[in-house]
Amino acid sequence: ELKVEQNPLFLSMQEGKNYTIYCNYSTTSDRLYWYRQDPGKSLESLFVLLSNGAVKQEGRLMASLDTKARLSTLHITAAVHDLSATYFCAVLYNNNDMRFGAGTRLTVKP
Amino acid sequence: NAGVTQTPKFQVLKTGQSMTLQCAQDMNHEYMSWYRQDPGMGLRLIHYSVGAGITDQGEVPNGYNVSRSTTEDFPLRLLSAAPSQTSVYFCASSHSVWRLGGYEQYFGPGTRLTVT
Repeated sequence: ELKVEQNPLFLSMQEGKNYTIYCNYSTTSDRLYWYRQDPGKSLESLFVLLSNGAVKQEGRLMASLDTKARLSTLHITAAVHDLSATYFCAVLYNNNDMRFGAGTRLTVKP
Repeated sequence: NAGVTQTPKFQVLKTGQSMTLQCAQDMNHEYMSWYRQDPGMGLRLIHYSVGAGITDQGEVPNGYNVSRSTTEDFPLRLLSAAPSQTSVYFCASSHSVWRLGGYEQYFGPGTRLTVT
């Protein structure tokens, strides 16, 4: 059965710094998703990664996928306060079943 | 487009009561799903549907029923509520062809359910 692990689970950053969130998964999949959730809100789609080596960037966030290592990363460049949120990765399993990581709660401090 | 809508936003039930959480989408998406979100555990898939009349179980289906009589609606029924079902429930929808194009899922605003 697929397991999805994110780390770290909590991350406190200074504004302007860089950091990476890691998402490991245990069985073969070539569809990986990143979502953002603000407190008390729903989930917002950030990236859909479709194949090995896929890299996508939006503003200060960049996501990549290595299907051989079963690893995706979400890199944050020059963090700003507005990026404070919880970030989830999710992996598509058996075509229709999506499994989520536990989430990384990011706090960006001035 | 309203996107994905869910009702109610909040609900309190007593143990043993039943109720239906409503979910509707106006994007003509074929794939719809229900998740529950518990603190520290991310989202877990309860049931999903790939089209009207077709449903299947996800990771945590026990205690829940679903049906899909129309493309737009995907209600989730709690048969006999238990305190362990206290959670935030999200409905989501997407185009059906997951493997071609990698469509994203759109999530509803959520229903916060408390079972006492």
